[in-house]
Amino acid sequence: AQKITQTQPGMFVQEKEAVTLDCTYDTSDQSYGLFWYKQPSSGEMIFLIYQGSYDEQNATEGRYSLNFQKARKSANLVISASQLGDSAMYFCAMREGGGGSNYKLTFGKGTLLTVNP
Amino acid sequence: DAGVIQSPRHEVTEMGQEVTLRCKPISGHNSLFWYRQTMMRGLELLIYFNNNVPIDDSGMPEDRFSAKMPNASFSTLKIQPSEPRDSAVYFCASTIGITEAFFGQGTRLTVV
Repeated sequence: AQKITQTQPGMFVQEKEAVTLDCTYDTSDQSYGLFWYKQPSSGEMIFLIYQGSYDEQNATEGRYSLNFQKARKSANLVISASQLGDSAMYFCAMREGGGGSNYKLTFGKGTLLTVNP
Repeated sequence: DAGVIQSPRHEVTEMGQEVTLRCKPISGHNSLFWYRQTMMRGLELLIYFNNNVPIDDSGMPEDRFSAKMPNASFSTLKIQPSEPRDSAVYFCASTIGITEAFFGQGTRLTVV
């Protein structure tokens, strides 16, 4: 079974508008972490934002915020005021605990975001 | 800090040849991950190590793939013999605890 599901293969947004990228996850662990990464066309993986399973507040990092709904097992990324440079592939990832300090990090299939001028 | 360092950045090899990809994690990080990225399959976790010990290698596709981490500052991913379907970008990432993983620049492997 897929651990991380990103249902939007591609998304389009107008420059300066907000966009939400969806992510749902599946785990039976109580302690886990959720991440979003950006991969521009140059190929590098850039960390954007992190949410811990015990964090009560939604994580925010500049224009990025994570809409964490634990009961629904969703961790959507919200990008406010989109910029042309936001055009990239976006990956949702989960790190779940295997006991002790063994944590497996798995990724969704990604969403390709295109920001239109 | 130099970040996660992977070498080579690009590798072109003939089918049947042995390929070795290298990774130097960030100093002090205790977990290391190897991923393979293709258009068809996305980012696949191949294997991960914790404190130099392989924890989960269930993502390693075949016996042709092997990975080692002889010490905390070095890991290798070997493919022997290589096949054209192994062509992909291979990423190494390291982390400590449950915090974000830092990725290397990747190795683009082409097997002809």
